[in-house]
Amino acid sequence: RKEVEQDPGPFNVPEGATVAFNCTYSNSASQSFFWYRQDCRKEPKLLMSVYSSGNEDGRFTAQLNRASQYISLLIRDSKLSDSATYLCVVNRRTGGGNKLTFGTGTQLKVEL
Amino acid sequence: NAGVTQTPKFRVLKTGQSMTLLCAQDMNHEYMYWYRQDPGMGLRLIHYSVGEGTTAKGEVPDGYNVSRLKKQNFLLGLESAAPSQTSVYFCASSTSSYNEQFFGPGTRLTVL
Repeated sequence: RKEVEQDPGPFNVPEGATVAFNCTYSNSASQSFFWYRQDCRKEPKLLMSVYSSGNEDGRFTAQLNRASQYISLLIRDSKLSDSATYLCVVNRRTGGGNKLTFGTGTQLKVEL
Repeated sequence: NAGVTQTPKFRVLKTGQSMTLLCAQDMNHEYMYWYRQDPGMGLRLIHYSVGEGTTAKGEVPDGYNVSRLKKQNFLLGLESAAPSQTSVYFCASSTSSYNEQFFGPGTRLTVL
């Protein structure tokens, strides 16, 4: 089983729609969680960190469910500019330090 | 601030040739990383460094070497390129092992 799993998509949604992505992680010792955004042929960039209590940044809401070992990203009122691949990232402590594991990403296409 | 820069942006090699990829950051970050990204595989850590003069192996280190002689630079070397090393290579840096990583624009390498 992969350490971090995401549905690759693509999710094709109309502009203005609400869309949600889930990501599951296998290691219960995972400590911190992030969503990164990657545009086509560009580098990943941090979208938001995911806190235990859930957090919101404008149209974006991230939530963590430790019991079920998944994190989610909700995008409201989708814009054409939201079209990108969203990477789930999980950090856990290991003997050699912290290990960041990236999911393979979920592709979102927002259409007119 | 330029952030994280990578040189070159594109490169085509023949099997057996060698090359060095250069990563530079101007954010005074202690931690630096080299990843490769392949379709369906996600970002995989090749090598990383926790400070000037230190390097450590990541998930997929075989066929690569690295050096961190100066805090701001992290070099990735391919001694004898193989077609399996065709990939997009990203460098990243961070203040610590559990904070946000800032990525460079990537190097697209093709080995024929």
